[in-house]
Amino acid sequence: DIQMTQSPSSLSASVGDRVTITCQASQDIRMYLNWYQQKPGRAPSLLIYDASNLERGVPSRFSGSGFGTYFTFTISSLQPEDIATYYCQQYEKVPLTFGGGTKVEIK
Amino acid sequence: QVQLVESGGGVVQPGRSLRLSCAASGFTFTSHALHWVRQAPGKGLEWVAVISYDGSRRQYGDFVKGRFTISRDNSENTAYLQMNRLRPEDTALYYCVRDRSIMGSTLLDHWGRGVLVTVSS
Repeated sequence: DIQMTQSPSSLSASVGDRVTITCQASQDIRMYLNWYQQKPGRAPSLLIYDASNLERGVPSRFSGSGFGTYFTFTISSLQPEDIATYYCQQYEKVPLTFGGGTKVEIK
Repeated sequence: QVQLVESGGGVVQPGRSLRLSCAASGFTFTSHALHWVRQAPGKGLEWVAVISYDGSRRQYGDFVKGRFTISRDNSENTAYLQMNRLRPEDTALYYCVRDRSIMGSTLLDHWGRGVLVTVSS
């Protein structure tokens, strides 16, 4: 199985800060990497697909990049409504696997 | 709008069975693969299974080990997860999730609210 290592596991930042999360795959997954946001008490929702494509309706302050085994997810200017846990997920191979999650809080 | 509504959860004893249902609406059911993804209390996301648009392809997470069966009824716009020989570690919120593609597994673009399964004596 492909292991997805996400870091950090949690972070605290101020409103307006730039926030970056990384996700490392245990083998080459090309561009087959998605990012999800899960707000407290809610189901996850898709933010970024194929490493860098913004899902429709998602604010442009969210972005993703990377290829192969190393990927990054960025919030350019953190907003209060961005408080959530973020997960990466690979679909190069079944079983689909997720990173452990990054909990983002406001300082 | 796309809706996925799970049902069938509850408290069940170890070794017993449970069948989850996922009623879909707001999209062409036969144009999408469907997944089940679970989340244990306070934990991360774990992929359970996927079924292609026509049921011809079904795949499972390693931990399933023949205990779970995913299925779908395209005439009823409903997907199912039959779970047998349940274990305490299967306790989780189970999400029904739509795949953007017909065969899966790609990106998970719509999620239900989830149904809670608790395995306990």
